[in-house]
Amino acid sequence: DTAVSQTPKYLVTQMGNDKSIKCEQNLGHDTMYWYKQDSKKFLKIMFSYNNKELIINETVPNRFSPKSPDKAHLNLHINSLELGDSAVYFCASSRGGGVYEQYFGPGTRLTVT
Amino acid sequence: EDQVTQSPEALRLQEGESSSLNCSYTVSGLRGLFWYRQDPGKGPEFLFTLYSAGEEKEKERLKATLTKKESFLHITAPKPEDSATYLCAVILEAAGNKLTFGGGTRVLVKP
Repeated sequence: DTAVSQTPKYLVTQMGNDKSIKCEQNLGHDTMYWYKQDSKKFLKIMFSYNNKELIINETVPNRFSPKSPDKAHLNLHINSLELGDSAVYFCASSRGGGVYEQYFGPGTRLTVT
Repeated sequence: EDQVTQSPEALRLQEGESSSLNCSYTVSGLRGLFWYRQDPGKGPEFLFTLYSAGEEKEKERLKATLTKKESFLHITAPKPEDSATYLCAVILEAAGNKLTFGGGTRVLVKP
């Protein structure tokens, strides 16, 4: 009964490739997020979607493109991967876009070689 | 321009040795402060939300408190299973609905 799930858990790829990470939540939440956790363990928000509409778009290279086919799914596509993209990417969801607790997925560790 | 600062960065405790973690934020207009626990290789797990100064929340050996500029997470008589990284995050009026995280405090409880 995983609340927020992500696939894959690990992703190893070469520079220049394109890859996608998928996220699904079964909590009935309206809002979903993508975070990046770097090697120093800082968690930073990248994007947020509320009911399929983009509401937060941080300063992220446009090689990163989120897509939300419905409010239970939020995918992250990354073009032309670079070494600096290596990190752990977390998906999260919350009841709404306001002051609500967010529930996180298990993370996807991306390694770019 | 760190808006959320957690201290200490790391904490080693003996089992049963109570201690406190600090989270301070530099920008005014707090809408909510959140505490999370993160185990190695896993996603952050929600613990508490605090909204206003004076508020307190408790769960087992953990108690979170909030003042106007900082929050404390008190760990009472910790056990080895309390070992984790504890993350603090805030939603500030100036930042819309964006959750801003601190760097975390790594807690190791030795038996």
